[in-house]
Amino acid sequence: EAGVAQSPRYKIIEKRQSVAFWCNPISGHATLYWYQQILGQGPKLLIQFQNNGVVDDSQLPKDRFSAERLKGVDSTLKIQPAKLEDSAVYLCASSLSGAADTQYFGPGTRLTVL
Amino acid sequence: LAKTTQPISMDSYEGQEVNITCSHNNIATNDYITWYQQFPSQGPRFIIQGYKTKVTNEVASLFIPADRKSSTLSLPRVSLSDTAVYYCLVGDREGQNFVFGPGTRLSVLP
Repeated sequence: EAGVAQSPRYKIIEKRQSVAFWCNPISGHATLYWYQQILGQGPKLLIQFQNNGVVDDSQLPKDRFSAERLKGVDSTLKIQPAKLEDSAVYLCASSLSGAADTQYFGPGTRLTVL
Repeated sequence: LAKTTQPISMDSYEGQEVNITCSHNNIATNDYITWYQQFPSQGPRFIIQGYKTKVTNEVASLFIPADRKSSTLSLPRVSLSDTAVYYCLVGDREGQNFVFGPGTRLSVLP
C-alpha cells in the first residue's frame, strides 16, 4: 500500500514570497490533515478535511495560509506571504475516517524562510 | 479540549522496559488515547490506541486506569532504534480534539 506522498521535500524562500505544498493521501482515506511542526515541538494541526469539506481550521492563520482539497483526494497548502516564523516542517496525514483512526503521515516538507 | 502532560525526556538502556506516563485529567467520556512515535526527519507513526484497561500489540502495551486520567505506554526490552519522540494524544471518534503535545524524547543508550 502506497503511503502519503508530499512534495517538495525541502523549500527555501525569502520572506514575503509565496509557497505551496502538495499532498496525496492514501487511496480511500476520507480524512486529510495538514500539520505544522516547529523544531522541538509537537505537530500543530492547521486544517482537517473530511472528503473535500473542512472539519477544523481553527488554527489556520487565514490571513496568509490557505488550503484546498480538490475532489476529496489531493490537497495543497499555500502560504502567501511567508514570514520568518513559518519556518517549520509541514506534515500531511490521512486516515480512513476520523482522527481517532490511525493517522498515516507523509515525510513532510521542510520550509525555511530567510 | 483535553490536554496531555508527559515528561519532556527519558533515558533508558538497551533491553530494559520503558514506561512513559501521560496525564490527561480533563479526558472526556468519548475520548480515546493514542500514542505516536516520531523519528527525526520523519512523520509520526501510530503505536497503539486504547479506551480503558489494557491494550497490547506486537510493539507496546497501553495501561489505562479506571478513572482514565492517565495512561502509560510500556515498551518492552527497548533497543537503540526505539530512540524517538513519543506523543500521547486524546480525542474523540470524530477526531476534532486531537492535539499533539511536546512529547517525550526517549534516548536508549547502549
